[in-house]
Amino acid sequence: ETGVTQTPRHLVMGMTNKKSLKCEQHLGHNAMYWYKQSAKKPLELMFVYSLEERVENNSVPSRFSPECPNSSHLFLHLHTLQPEDSALYLCASSQASGIGANVLTFGAGSRLTVL
Amino acid sequence: GQNIDQPTEMTATEGAIVQINCTYQTSGFNGLFWYQQHAGEAPTFLSYNVLDGLEEKGRFSSFLSRSKGYSYLLLKELQMKDSASYLCAVKDSNYQLIWGAGTKLIIKP
Repeated sequence: ETGVTQTPRHLVMGMTNKKSLKCEQHLGHNAMYWYKQSAKKPLELMFVYSLEERVENNSVPSRFSPECPNSSHLFLHLHTLQPEDSALYLCASSQASGIGANVLTFGAGSRLTVL
Repeated sequence: GQNIDQPTEMTATEGAIVQINCTYQTSGFNGLFWYQQHAGEAPTFLSYNVLDGLEEKGRFSSFLSRSKGYSYLLLKELQMKDSASYLCAVKDSNYQLIWGAGTKLIIKP
């Protein structure tokens, strides 16, 4: 149990579908992140929320839409995705500042396949 | 641009020692991190170096040379459970994490 839970673990969707990924952390952290992990590529930071405010959006296409209703929950809403969006989507959390900001706790990821 | 280089794959024998290298070119430096990721699982934090030298934590040690833009992760007394990917990451001057593509370590009996 990592303290960061992601659902679903696996998702297959068509290009016209709308789905959402969910992330929940029970660590008392106040920063949350979405990363994209593709085979043999570095982790790509997509979004960062700190104290429930979005502080980072790394030129992510608008077909990905994040939502952070509170410091424990993070969503990634997906619509009209492309096959190249197939990847492992990792959620992570940390403290927003101080020494704890140095260490990310990751969830196990949601494996997304776009047909 | 910013870049982290590490070998794509390494193979080692159970009980042996392996060193995984990481070189980086970043705009500024605010620490280097190593994470371990077993297949299908979450990456987990292994070590953090911000000053030059060796940090030892059980069978794992991490070394940093800021002047050379170089780090390594040393794994001793390898066990089959050490088969995993090892991710190197650097925090740049903006405190953004720059990640390497990871090194897949295969342990053979």
